[in-house]
Amino acid sequence: DTGVSQDPRHKITKRGQNVTFRCDPISEHNRLYWYRQTLGQGPEFLTYFQNEAQLEKSRLLSDRFSAERPKGSFSTLEIQRTEQGDSAMYLCASSFTGDPHNEQFFGPGTRLTVL
Amino acid sequence: AQKVTQAQTEISVVEKEDVTLDCVYETRDTTYYLFWYKQPPSGELVFLIRRNSFDEQNEISGRYSWNFQKSTSSFNFTITASQVVDSAVYFCALSSMNRDDKIIFGKGTRLHILP
Repeated sequence: DTGVSQDPRHKITKRGQNVTFRCDPISEHNRLYWYRQTLGQGPEFLTYFQNEAQLEKSRLLSDRFSAERPKGSFSTLEIQRTEQGDSAMYLCASSFTGDPHNEQFFGPGTRLTVL
Repeated sequence: AQKVTQAQTEISVVEKEDVTLDCVYETRDTTYYLFWYKQPPSGELVFLIRRNSFDEQNEISGRYSWNFQKSTSSFNFTITASQVVDSAVYFCALSSMNRDDKIIFGKGTRLHILP
C-alpha cells in the first residue's frame, strides 16, 4: 500500500454542475477525514468517518455537500450545484485508531476549480 | 475552543540565513498533539513533526529544530542555514483525542528563501 490516494487530482467544472471526488485510504485505516483548503488558508475540517459511520460534520459542510463511505473503505465527497466559492483543494486523510499516536496520513488532494 | 495562530503571514530570507516560524496555540485539553507540515508549490502536505503535550523536550532533525514551550503555548520551528528548497508554506497544527483527532491548522506562513 503506497498511501492515501485521491481521484481526480484536478477538476474544472462550470458553476451549477455536480462533482464527485474519491478517496482511497490506507488499507486497515478505520478513520477517514475530509478537509478543505481555500487559497491562502490552512486546511479546515469538513467531516470524518469511523468505518462506514459518519460521526461528525462541520458547519462548513452545507446541504450541497454529501460524503459517504459505504463499505468502510473508500469514501466519496459529492458537491451538488457547485458555486465559485467551492473552488478549493479537497484533502483526504486516514488513520487507525489502534495506533496510539493516531497519526493521520494525507492524500495529495483534489484541486477543484469552479468557473 | 481550539485555535492555532501563525502571526507571520510571509517571510523572506536570504539563503543560508536561519529563520524561525512562530506558532501559538490555544486548547483546554490536557492531552493534545502539535504538528508542523510543509506544503510546497505542488500542494501536497508533507508531515514534518508531531509532538505530544507531555513531551516538552526540544527536537532537532538535521537543519530543522522545534521549540515547544507549554508555559507560553508556543511551538516554534527553526530552519538553520536555509536553502532555496525550503521555500514553501508551513502550517502549524493541533489535535486532541477528546475531539476525535480532528486537526486544526493555522493559516500558514509562506517562506521565501532567496538565492
